[in-house]
Amino acid sequence: SQTIHQWPATLVQPVGSPLSLECTVEGTSNPNLYWYRQAAGRGLQLLFYSVGIGQISSEVPQNLSASRPQDRQFILSSKKLLLSDSGFYLCAWSVLANTGELFFGEGSRLTVL
Amino acid sequence: GDSVTQMEGPVTLSEEAFLTINCTYTATGYPSLFWYVQYPGEGLQLLLKATKADDKGSNKGFEATYRKETTSFHLEKGSVQVSDSAVYFCALSDPGGGADGLTFGKGTHLIIQP
Repeated sequence: SQTIHQWPATLVQPVGSPLSLECTVEGTSNPNLYWYRQAAGRGLQLLFYSVGIGQISSEVPQNLSASRPQDRQFILSSKKLLLSDSGFYLCAWSVLANTGELFFGEGSRLTVL
Repeated sequence: GDSVTQMEGPVTLSEEAFLTINCTYTATGYPSLFWYVQYPGEGLQLLLKATKADDKGSNKGFEATYRKETTSFHLEKGSVQVSDSAVYFCALSDPGGGADGLTFGKGTHLIIQP
């Protein structure tokens, strides 16, 4: 069966520090991968998605970047965090044929102070 | 573009009450529709889905019917439990099969009191 993991689960970082959140999927090949951010009162915002290794699409201009160095690995990064980067970050995957159903990781809570 | 509108809440009910969470959508084609649930501190889990008009999705006592004429996908449960307390998200997928994921509503926070 397929599983998705992301880490760290919680992170407290000072403004201006770098960020790296990692997500891996097991039990499937060639998944679509996604990073969402959930901020209080704002629902889910799609940040990045990827249909293959090295292929990243960005939905919103921001202080963050994403990379997909391996088929089942998706990394969210920042060189310098802002206070507004605080939130709950969710990684998700879907089958390449896109049935529309997404499978989510456990989430990473980022607090920038 | 596509959009999903749902009541944000919080919605507070007593245990065993009847639940309705409204969801309406705007889409250019015929999307698939989903309800996801998020328990405190966790990621989202698929609760139920419907892929075409008049389909009824159901799971764990929850139901939702895809109503094309009213562009709605309201979530219902006949008797809620304290363990149903969570945030519920309505979502749709692009019928063209694009890879850019789902369009979500803002979520409805449900609180069930014993």
